[in-house]
Amino acid sequence: DIQMTQSPSSVSASVGDRVSITCRASQGISTWLAWYQQKPGKAPKLLIYAASSMQSGVPSRFSGSGSGTDFTLTISSLQPEDFGTYYCQQAVSFPFTFGPGTKVDIK
Amino acid sequence: QVQLQVSGPGLVKPSQTLSLTCTVSGDSMSRSFYYWSWIRQNPGKGLEWIGYISYSGTTYYNPSLNSRLNISIERSKDQFSLKLSSVTAADTAVYYCARSVTSADNCFAPWGQGTLVTVSS
Repeated sequence: DIQMTQSPSSVSASVGDRVSITCRASQGISTWLAWYQQKPGKAPKLLIYAASSMQSGVPSRFSGSGSGTDFTLTISSLQPEDFGTYYCQQAVSFPFTFGPGTKVDIK
Repeated sequence: QVQLQVSGPGLVKPSQTLSLTCTVSGDSMSRSFYYWSWIRQNPGKGLEWIGYISYSGTTYYNPSLNSRLNISIERSKDQFSLKLSSVTAADTAVYYCARSVTSADNCFAPWGQGTLVTVSS
């Protein structure tokens, strides 16, 4: 299985801050990577797929980059509604696997 | 707008079979060329992809669950189902159904609302 790791495990930032979350795959996955946001008690919501393609309806402050083994999700200007846990997921190799999550809190 | 709804018992006894159904609305499963997945999340833990079924009925299961797992599709009812046999407390989780975002990408959108299944006697 491809192992996914994320850093940091948690981040606390102020409204307006730029926040970056890193995801690393244990082997190359080209750009077959997705990012999700999950709020407590809710299903994850797809933000980014194919490493940098934005899902319809997602605010433009979210962006994704990277290829191979190293990927980044960036929130350009953190908003109060952006709290939650963010997960990456590789979509190239069975079984599809998720990272452990990064919890984002608003200061 | 496609929506998915999970239904099934919230409590299952150890050694029994967990059965869940996902009902798709807003699109016909017969017309679409997507992959339909089950994903679970143990309380307080991360996400685990369980397996999927394609529009044509092809399945792929997570090898960690393969021997206990069956996913089926009933296109006429726009439903797909999960059966997980010989459950233990380790199978206690919130179970989600989800669709592939496109016919060519194995990430997931939209998701159903999820249902907590507790394995306990």
